Amino acid sequence: DADVTQTPRNRITKTGKRIMLECSQTKGHDRMYWYRQDPGLGLRLIYYSFDVKDINKGEISDGYSVSRQAQAKFSLSLESAIPNQTALYFCATRPGGGTSEQFFGPGTRLTVL
Amino acid sequence: GDSVTQMEGPVTLSEEAFLTINCTYTATGYPSLFWYVQYPGEGLQLLLKATKADDKGSNKGFEATYRKETTSFHLEKGSVQVSDSAVYFCALSELIKAAGNKLTFGGGTRVLVKP
Repeated sequence: DADVTQTPRNRITKTGKRIMLECSQTKGHDRMYWYRQDPGLGLRLIYYSFDVKDINKGEISDGYSVSRQAQAKFSLSLESAIPNQTALYFCATRPGGGTSEQFFGPGTRLTVL
Repeated sequence: GDSVTQMEGPVTLSEEAFLTINCTYTATGYPSLFWYVQYPGEGLQLLLKATKADDKGSNKGFEATYRKETTSFHLEKGSVQVSDSAVYFCALSELIKAAGNKLTFGGGTRVLVKP
């Protein structure tokens, strides 16, 4: 079984719709991250959370919100989707302590028409 | 702010050829450096890492050396296989809080290995 799962894997929606992307992990990690991937731009950080009560904006948080429902769950919401939010979205986790490696989910491909 | 620059692709090679992907970085402190690989339809996987100057990371025949003097972390493999076809991302991490870090990624380099 995958350690970091994302649902849905693919989603097509229309401009103005609210959509939620979900991430669950069984790794027991405290830190969770949401990134978006656009061609040629690598991955850019949207939001990150160090525990259930600690949520922080990343470099491109406008138009997005998050919820850390539990240590294992971190959801990303688009309140009113727009076409330039069409991208591949990745969730990642990281344990506490000195290691800096992050573990990525398989991604959600979102298309906003 | 921190940034990572890597060579644009796609890079097309024949099997058993030598692969180099250049990566340079800008950081204010002493970051850790990473190479991640993304196979088609999958998420990113850590390929190798180095945490301080002159460290060499290696895995699956790939190597990269942390060069502080040239702020570089070039990825190399001596003999590529078709299964190495993927997108490769260079990344760095620096502490942003006492208890955490964030990754800054390069734009990715697509590598296609032909039989």
